[in-house]
Amino acid sequence: AQTVTQSQPEMSVQEAETVTLSCTYDTSENNYYLFWYKQPPSRQMILVIRQEAYKQQNATENRFSVNFQKAAKSFSLKISDSQLGDTAMYFCARIQGAQKLVFGQGTRLTINP
Amino acid sequence: EAQVTQNPRYLITVTGKKLTVTCSQNMNHEYMSWYRQDPGLGLRQIYYSMNVEVTDKGDVPEGYKVSRKEKRNFPLILESPSPNQTSLYFCASSFSSYNSPLHFGNGTRLTVT
Repeated sequence: AQTVTQSQPEMSVQEAETVTLSCTYDTSENNYYLFWYKQPPSRQMILVIRQEAYKQQNATENRFSVNFQKAAKSFSLKISDSQLGDTAMYFCARIQGAQKLVFGQGTRLTINP
Repeated sequence: EAQVTQNPRYLITVTGKKLTVTCSQNMNHEYMSWYRQDPGLGLRQIYYSMNVEVTDKGDVPEGYKVSRKEKRNFPLILESPSPNQTSLYFCASSFSSYNSPLHFGNGTRLTVT
């Protein structure tokens, strides 16, 4: 089975610090899409950022950016100037075929004041 | 407001008592899907639908049924719930299953005793 792996079950940083969440995936496809979703305590699933595999440039959304290493099948999320509102569960996901999003196990991120 | 509406938000039931979780989207999306979220496992796909009257199994379909009689609605049916179906359930939709990010409902926390 083609998988998505998040190796950090939990992380904790101080407010204003930068934090990087790791994600690796397995795929036999050449073109695909990768996502990071945020799930705050309200349990709503919120799209943070999207990366298209054929694009060399790393995606950026305000304080959120990715480091996409296609050859290594790595897709890490960097949060700069972290804020208390960034406290959440973060899921990495990859579209598989035309049928579904495959999710990683999640990383619980806590931002401490 | 564009949204995916899931009901109920919380549900406690007993083994064997049939239940339905409703899902409706107002964005004219063709693709809809159900996921369950369990600790340490991320989100796993139960069923998906590419269009009206077109549904197919995801990774964990056992014990579940779905129907897609109208484009906007995609209910999840548990005909004989068991305790191992205690989980957090999400309905999601998108324009295209291939490259569009999913829009999620707010989740249904189901407990089967």
